[in-house]
Amino acid sequence: DVKVTQSSRYLVKRTGEKVFLECVQDMDHENMFWYRQDPGLGLRLIYFSYDVKMKEKGDIPEGYSVSREKKERFSLILESASTNQTSMYLCASSSPGSLNQPQHFGDGTRLSIL
Amino acid sequence: GQQLNQSPQSMFIQEGEDVSMNCTSSSIFNTWLWYKQDPGEGPVLLIALYKAGELTSNGRLTAQFGITRKDSFLNISASIPSDVGIYFCAGAGGTSYGKLTFGQGTILTVHP
Repeated sequence: DVKVTQSSRYLVKRTGEKVFLECVQDMDHENMFWYRQDPGLGLRLIYFSYDVKMKEKGDIPEGYSVSREKKERFSLILESASTNQTSMYLCASSSPGSLNQPQHFGDGTRLSIL
Repeated sequence: GQQLNQSPQSMFIQEGEDVSMNCTSSSIFNTWLWYKQDPGEGPVLLIALYKAGELTSNGRLTAQFGITRKDSFLNISASIPSDVGIYFCAGAGGTSYGKLTFGQGTILTVHP
């Protein structure tokens, strides 16, 4: 089974702090994704990466950056956290192919910015 | 960014009832996926559909890829309390990056 592990289940930070959310997958997947989930809005894509050191903006990249130095690890960075970034953050991975491979998700990090 | 239109937004049903939810899009998709998210956990894949018209079952769950490639539905038969959760549809347009577009989710509550 694919295992996607997010480093923290719950995190509380203060406004203006630099916040790192870490994600590791163990299936040698090329593609990795960061989403935020808010009630009534579903999952919105922040950034994704299709290879080491490669990154692409998703639908809501403002206020975020990412890092992919190793294939198995994809980090989401909040450069200066704000209260409107309080949310559930989900990491996912998938392998490429001619058919769209399903994404496999971690359990999420519930981030509160005070 | 684009989102799929998923309905209903929420459902309150009695144990044993059947459930139906659907997703529609203005764009064509090559793949439709259905996920379930239990409280406090990440979404888990239920069913993947890769061909227009395809009808696929997974236990009490049945999903179909619409002929127009712009819609999909999920049915749950004889619901049980552990069916409670949020159900998401997702569509993929065919890029090798595997980028998905998600519906807003259907919150399912099952009363014993």
